[in-house]
Amino acid sequence: GQNIDQPTEMTATEGAIVQINCTYQTSGFNGLFWYQQHAGEAPTFLSYNVLDGLEEKGRFSSFLSRSKGYSYLLLKELQMKDSASYLCAVTDDKIIFGKGTRLHILP
Amino acid sequence: DARVTQTPRHKVTEMGQEVTMRCQPILGHNTVFWYRQTMMQGLELLAYFRNRAPLDDSGMPKDRFSAEMPDATLATLKIQPSEPRDSAVYFCASGSARRPSDTQYFGPGTRLTVL
Repeated sequence: GQNIDQPTEMTATEGAIVQINCTYQTSGFNGLFWYQQHAGEAPTFLSYNVLDGLEEKGRFSSFLSRSKGYSYLLLKELQMKDSASYLCAVTDDKIIFGKGTRLHILP
Repeated sequence: DARVTQTPRHKVTEMGQEVTMRCQPILGHNTVFWYRQTMMQGLELLAYFRNRAPLDDSGMPKDRFSAEMPDATLATLKIQPSEPRDSAVYFCASGSARRPSDTQYFGPGTRLTVL
């Protein structure tokens, strides 16, 4: 079956670093996306990984290990505006989303 | 600033009524997706179209839901008859689908409440 797991909630402090993990079991794999979704808004694209390794984009980085079915999103220098849900999604012949991780940032 | 538009943004209706949600994809995008999001289930793919042809609607309850793309600038999702369990936010997204890395751009969503 198809399954994507992420923690339901996480809390971190402004200025700190947080790592949001995602594990997946899917019949096929064409890449993994991370999306950010603020409360009451639509998801917006953060990153895409198809090869193993780390992709860095400013304060956000995303890592992929295809052999382990594992990815993480790393957020550095956390800001209050980073309080949101972070969705992991895997593409096969179609895209499957995890339920998302709600990240709370404390001042 | 190209973006996906959806109407209506909010809809409150009574059980048994027909609901029609509309989506205008970004001009030039050839793939359109319909999602439903609830607290319990997260974001679920209902259906998607490529070049206006339905490719997959396996996530959609067939007896009451229907999705169409009458032309390249309009996608519709209909629920008839609606039920309280259909209450959710419905998102439309569009993309170019030239490569697997091509991302989807989401519309603002339609928040549906069925009483």
